[in-house]
Amino acid sequence: NAGVTQTPKFQVLKTGQSMTLQCAQDMNHNSMYWYRQDPGMGLRLIYYSASEGTTDKGEVPNGYNVSRLNKREFSLRLESAAPSQTSVYFCASSEWALDPTDTQYFGPGTRLTVL
Amino acid sequence: SQQGEEDPQALSIQEGENATMNCSYKTSINNLQWYRQNSGRGLVHLILIRSNEREKHSGRLRVTLDTSKKSSSLLITASRAADTASYFCATDAIYNQGGKLIFGQGTELSVKP
Repeated sequence: NAGVTQTPKFQVLKTGQSMTLQCAQDMNHNSMYWYRQDPGMGLRLIYYSASEGTTDKGEVPNGYNVSRLNKREFSLRLESAAPSQTSVYFCASSEWALDPTDTQYFGPGTRLTVL
Repeated sequence: SQQGEEDPQALSIQEGENATMNCSYKTSINNLQWYRQNSGRGLVHLILIRSNEREKHSGRLRVTLDTSKKSSSLLITASRAADTASYFCATDAIYNQGGKLIFGQGTELSVKP
């Protein structure tokens, strides 16, 4: 099993460009998440999907949109990239977000630079 | 806003020594989890401790939880160079119906051979 995969691994954008980060999991998990990680800030939740067909905002959703394409895939879109969105983006999945003992499995990350 | 805050932010020790990292949080929780992140990689779940537990062990890891002080500690015994990584605590607040975890800023551990 590949676990959680993310593409691309690295990306450089110019201000105003758009792009979509892809995430897929093969663990038959119900819940998926997008985080960003900035130096000294830990991980901050952007959006999550507790189950197929639902998405909800996290702590820092502005400037992003998400699509839960199916149970396996959860994409993150930047419509008009800004330098403040330079970060490392992590996708994660878990069996069931509403279970208090749920633990998350992370992908390897996408390092995004916006010039 | 950050629910969990780790202390210290960075820790450097020699191989064989014990490493202790602390986490404080603000609101009542169901569980507290610890994750590890190797440089340039995603996070990996280490251990979960429930709010009604005071101590939990897993191999060389020992986690304690003091809900009255809203704090937890992670002890790594007999550290190895391979333990070099960042360690994060994550909490799910009782009021949180969405199952979201809130991560702290992490402790960067360096174990020198």
